[in-house]
Amino acid sequence: EAQVTQNPRYLITVTGKKLTVTCSQNMNHEYMSWYRQDPGLGLRQIYYSMNVEVTDKGDVPEGYKVSRKEKRNFPLILESPSPNQTSLYFCASSLSGPVLGPQHFGDGTRLSIL
Amino acid sequence: ELKVEQNPLFLSMQEGKNYTIYCNYSTTSDRLYWYRQDPGKSLESLFVLLSNGAVKQEGRLMASLDTKARLSTLHITAAVHDLSATYFCAAGNTGNQFYFGTGTSLTVIP
Repeated sequence: EAQVTQNPRYLITVTGKKLTVTCSQNMNHEYMSWYRQDPGLGLRQIYYSMNVEVTDKGDVPEGYKVSRKEKRNFPLILESPSPNQTSLYFCASSLSGPVLGPQHFGDGTRLSIL
Repeated sequence: ELKVEQNPLFLSMQEGKNYTIYCNYSTTSDRLYWYRQDPGKSLESLFVLLSNGAVKQEGRLMASLDTKARLSTLHITAAVHDLSATYFCAAGNTGNQFYFGTGTSLTVIP
């Protein structure tokens, strides 16, 4: 089954404790992206990647890091989480960027930073 | 930067009625997408609109695109309860970013 898998689904942690949210897709997609969803703000793009070793900042990259060492994986790293990063996070992938088709989304990761 | 605005933000409608959700975007966009999100769930792709005048229909939902007006609409015909969800439009450009609207929360009342 074609899917985007995120882990964990839920995480409660404390300020400053490094965490990683994993994302994996099995569709051989080139484009992967991370979003955060906050009430009244829709989805905002954090980082995206057009291919292995190619990553770019989205609209809200501050406080986040990503890497793309393999085509299927695109982890999101919070080196020193803060309460304003409490949010619902989605990973998504598509064949090749906005021009070529819709994104497939993971089930989301709800992060709470205390 | 491409900005995407949706309205209304909230929509409560009776079953059987028709209504339209509007999506305006600020600069040239190569593609316009509509997604649906059920409460507590992920986003599901509904429509991809590729060019000016494009119209796509699926069941009671119809989406259209006017690139000259920078406007896309999602029209709901004879609403049913199952259509209750949050609907997002998103625009993409050759800069490889996606830009989402704030979403329209639709509640269909029996």
